[in-house]
Amino acid sequence: DTGVSQDPRHKITKRGQNVTFRCDPISEHNRLYWYRQTLGQGPEFLTYFQNEAQLEKSRLLSDRFSAERPKGSFSTLEIQRTEQGDSAMYLCASSSWQSNQPQHFGDGTRLSIL
Amino acid sequence: DAKTTQPTSMDCAEGRAANLPCNHSTISGNEYVYWYRQIHSQGPQYIIHGLKNNETNEMASLIITEDRKSSTLILPHATLRDTAVYYCIVRVEQDDKIIFGKGTRLHILP
Repeated sequence: DTGVSQDPRHKITKRGQNVTFRCDPISEHNRLYWYRQTLGQGPEFLTYFQNEAQLEKSRLLSDRFSAERPKGSFSTLEIQRTEQGDSAMYLCASSSWQSNQPQHFGDGTRLSIL
Repeated sequence: DAKTTQPTSMDCAEGRAANLPCNHSTISGNEYVYWYRQIHSQGPQYIIHGLKNNETNEMASLIITEDRKSSTLILPHATLRDTAVYYCIVRVEQDDKIIFGKGTRLHILP
């Protein structure tokens, strides 16, 4: 399977704990995106990387959230001191550098905060 | 905010063509129309995109009006597996993030 891979698919944790998600993009894609989706809503943009550089962050990305893409390949999204409102599906997408190329999404990590 | 307006839900009989409308009356000359769909518990799946010409691929056809203020996604022979939420998005070529609206929930009826 050469699609976008996310791990884990599901994460249940207690409020206040830290969690980390991983995204492996399509291998030749140098752009990587994180989105968050809550029930009944469309995905919302969080942040975007081109290679290892984080180029844009949404105001939704509070200081408890941090994303990295250290070698320009896989990326991690960490949430510190989780809150009830962090419960959502976290989606990763990737695209090639060429203009006007569609983003291809993984199947997400569903986070549930107890 | 999303720049598109879509019906909240639609039904279509299995085997018939599903025609999903989208209004984007404020679209700019350099904005493309993209369609994605999301099947339950999966990530959004890219379907098709276009600028001003009609487009067709193995999944669907995209018909864009001449004034570009609206478009229609056509699934020519809908199957039960086409039941999903369909998102119509406008996006400039240089804009890296996608702004999703709430989409259209399409139900394919057996």
